[in-house]
Amino acid sequence: GDSVTQMEGPVTLSEEAFLTINCTYTATGYPSLFWYVQYPGEGLQLLLKATKADDKGSNKGFEATYRKETTSFHLEKGSVQVSDSAVYFCALSQGGSEKLVFGKGTKLTVNP
Amino acid sequence: KAGVTQTPRYLIKTRGQQVTLSCSPISGHRSVSWYQQTPGQGLQFLFEYFSETQRNKGNFPGRFSGRQFSNSRSEMNVSTLELGDSALYLCASSSQGAGGNEQFFGPGTRLTVL
Repeated sequence: GDSVTQMEGPVTLSEEAFLTINCTYTATGYPSLFWYVQYPGEGLQLLLKATKADDKGSNKGFEATYRKETTSFHLEKGSVQVSDSAVYFCALSQGGSEKLVFGKGTKLTVNP
Repeated sequence: KAGVTQTPRYLIKTRGQQVTLSCSPISGHRSVSWYQQTPGQGLQFLFEYFSETQRNKGNFPGRFSGRQFSNSRSEMNVSTLELGDSALYLCASSSQGAGGNEQFFGPGTRLTVL
């Protein structure tokens, strides 16, 4: 079945550092890819998404590009802030269904 | 517009009991999905409903069941509770059911089984 693998961390960075969280997937067909974020004490919320190969999703300075040749959707941000501290989940869904398959999540802590 | 609401927010049950969790999606949303979140297994898909029909079911035992009503509200039921059912149960809704859409998550119901 479909699966998502992401670096589990935890990841600790200093403010203004560059962030990369790796995500690769295994799926038949052409899934849609997502990054969701869970801030402390809050629910999951969509950070960005891409629905076809070579699409780039972006939001709040975060970016991820749908790479079909490497089955990857790595999350990047050029300069992290303390407020970015959260757990980040990579996920996919297949056409015709809203079912999300999640990676294990990566906890990011940004220190001032 | 009100977000996804889940009730109750916290539950404590004992082994062998059963529990019903409720989810009210965002107004106008017809797709509702349920997930179990645990530290060990992460986020695992339970069910997906669209217009009162179950379209997908995750790899959980038959003790886990659910349904969706005509107003799109959804319930899930867990019978004969086990210690391992302790988890955060999340409900998510979306406006369409075709895939690739943003899912809006509720705050979850924290179930503790003693």
